Amino acid sequence: NAGVTQTPKFQVLKTGQSMTLQCAQDMNHNSMYWYRQDPGMGLRLIYYSASEGTTDKGEVPNGYNVSRLNKREFSLRLESAAPSQTSVYFCASSADRTSSYNSPLHFGNGTRLTVT
Amino acid sequence: EDQVTQSPEALRLQEGESSSLNCSYTVSGLRGLFWYRQDPGKGPEFLFTLYSAGEEKEKERLKATLTKKESFLHITAPKPEDSATYLCAVTEGGGNNRKLIWGLGTSLAVNP
Repeated sequence: NAGVTQTPKFQVLKTGQSMTLQCAQDMNHNSMYWYRQDPGMGLRLIYYSASEGTTDKGEVPNGYNVSRLNKREFSLRLESAAPSQTSVYFCASSADRTSSYNSPLHFGNGTRLTVT
Repeated sequence: EDQVTQSPEALRLQEGESSSLNCSYTVSGLRGLFWYRQDPGKGPEFLFTLYSAGEEKEKERLKATLTKKESFLHITAPKPEDSATYLCAVTEGGGNNRKLIWGLGTSLAVNP
């Protein structure tokens, strides 16, 4: 059972470069989320998608874009990377049909991104 | 301001030495409280959901309890494999304004 799969696991970018983080889940979940985790800041929501075809901003959306490609896949794009975007990025999914947070989140193992 | 505070930040136990982790919250309307475990280099893994004061959940050596202001994660006779960071998160608000607020975690180390 794969659960939530994220690629790549590690990435180093130079300031101004762009990249897309990929996420796929095989649990037939409706909602998907992108978080970043930084020391002393905890988990912060970047974007979420309550269903295929919809996306909404979280706490820290600036500098990011997302695409809910289909029910399984939710990608996060950095158009012009900045050092402040150095972080660990987690994708998660849940069975919720709305942004209700009634169901637990299932997380991938993260992408460790360094921007120099 | 809505917030979730976990204490202690770090805890070191000897194998078999029971203890408790605390998650206190100040939110306008609690909808649910989640406990997660996070191992180094991994994503958080769901442990428990608690919805109302007085509720308790158990799993192996872990027991989670909930009051109107805080939750405790009791660890009985811990083993080295229980070493991890334990995260607490609280769902609050209603309708389209529902939010999930995360604590910073307690880092637990269990020595053999």
